Formats: sequence, structure tokens, C-alpha cells
Amino acid sequence: TQLLEQSPQFLSIQEGENLTVYCNSSSVFSSLQWYRQEPGEGPVLLVTVVTGGEVKKLKRLTFQFGDARKDSSLHITAAQPGDTGLYLCAGAEWDSNYQLIWGAGTKLIIKP
Amino acid sequence: DSGVTQTPKHLITATGQRVTLRCSPRSGDLSVYWYQQSLDQGLQFLIQYYNGEERAKGNILERFSAQQFPDLHSELNLSSLELGDSALYFCASSVSAGQGAHEQFFGPGTRLTVL
Repeated sequence: TQLLEQSPQFLSIQEGENLTVYCNSSSVFSSLQWYRQEPGEGPVLLVTVVTGGEVKKLKRLTFQFGDARKDSSLHITAAQPGDTGLYLCAGAEWDSNYQLIWGAGTKLIIKP
Repeated sequence: DSGVTQTPKHLITATGQRVTLRCSPRSGDLSVYWYQQSLDQGLQFLIQYYNGEERAKGNILERFSAQQFPDLHSELNLSSLELGDSALYFCASSVSAGQGAHEQFFGPGTRLTVL
């Protein structure tokens, strides 16, 4: 069974600090996605990374897919209270089911 | 707005009862996924339908069932409800094929409370 491990599970920092959260697996994925979920709402897709070593930027968020396509990181620069939420990574398997393997999430709190 | 709709938004019922949750996917999306999320937990994949047929099963209890209709909307049926079934239930949809097929778009969820 493929697993995606996210770390840390919980992170609380002050506004303006930088942070990195990780998503790791022993398995290779065809692509990996990051979602953000706010309390009581559905997850919202932030980015999809497809190529090993790929880096994508979304304003202050930088996403990287590992060279071996087994891991990914999300780096937030100068975090703001609006970044607060549950960050979920999900990996796509190499078959036609289009099913995702989900990490348990990193709960991020940015204090003003 | 993701384009995925779910009804009802909230549902309160008693143990032993049966409920039906409804989901309408984004226009053109053939795949529908159901997830359960308990308090402060990650997403637990329940089941996937593609163009009316069951495609994949996750940790779905035998008391739970789902179907996807010809108009592509889907329903999740939960029966013999227990206190532990209280959770947020999300529906997601995705395009049928291609690179974007793994990108899922989530509805706002149904919050089920079993008393």
C-alpha cells in the first residue's frame, strides 16, 4: 500500500516567518498535488507538479517535486494569517483509476 | 466556487437511521469521489465512480453504498448510522482523462451529526 507521510503534523508560527512542510513516500508518483483546506470547507487545489525536480511558485508559496518523484515540499515565505489552514498533499498512481493517495495533512496556524 | 455542489449542507439524525447525501459534479466531469473526514483528521477515501460505474473502493463500510446516475450526479447512502459516523462528507469530481484527470475539485461538504 502506498503511503504519503506529511510533516510536521502541526505547525504554529508568527506572521512574517518562513516555513516548509514536507510530503514523503517510498513510492513513485506520476504527479503530486497540494491542496489547502479551511475549517468546514472542502479542500482547494493549489498546484500540481508533474516533472521530477519541478518547482512551481504561487505568490509566496513555492512547491517542489523531488527528482525521484517520491517526495515534495511546500515553502511559504513571510507567512500571513490568511495562510492558516490544513495543507494536504496527494499523489497520483501510475494507472488509469485516477485515484489519489492522500497524506494526513499539516495543520498550519499563522498568528498575527 | 469549485462548481461541485453538495446537499444538504448539514444533517442531524439519530443512531440507526439512514440518510442520503447528494453530489452534482462540475459540468463535464465524469469521475466522482466520496470522502469522509472526521474531526481534525485527514481525508478518508470511500469510493469512486466513473461515468456511472464503480471504479475504486477505499475504506467504505458495508453499511455505506453509493451510485452515480446517468446525469452523472451521485448519491452516498449511509445506513444503520452510528455515533462514529458523524463527520464531514465530501464529494469531488475530476475530468475524464489526460494529465488533469488527477486534479480533484471538491464540494463544500455535508456535515453529518448522529445523535
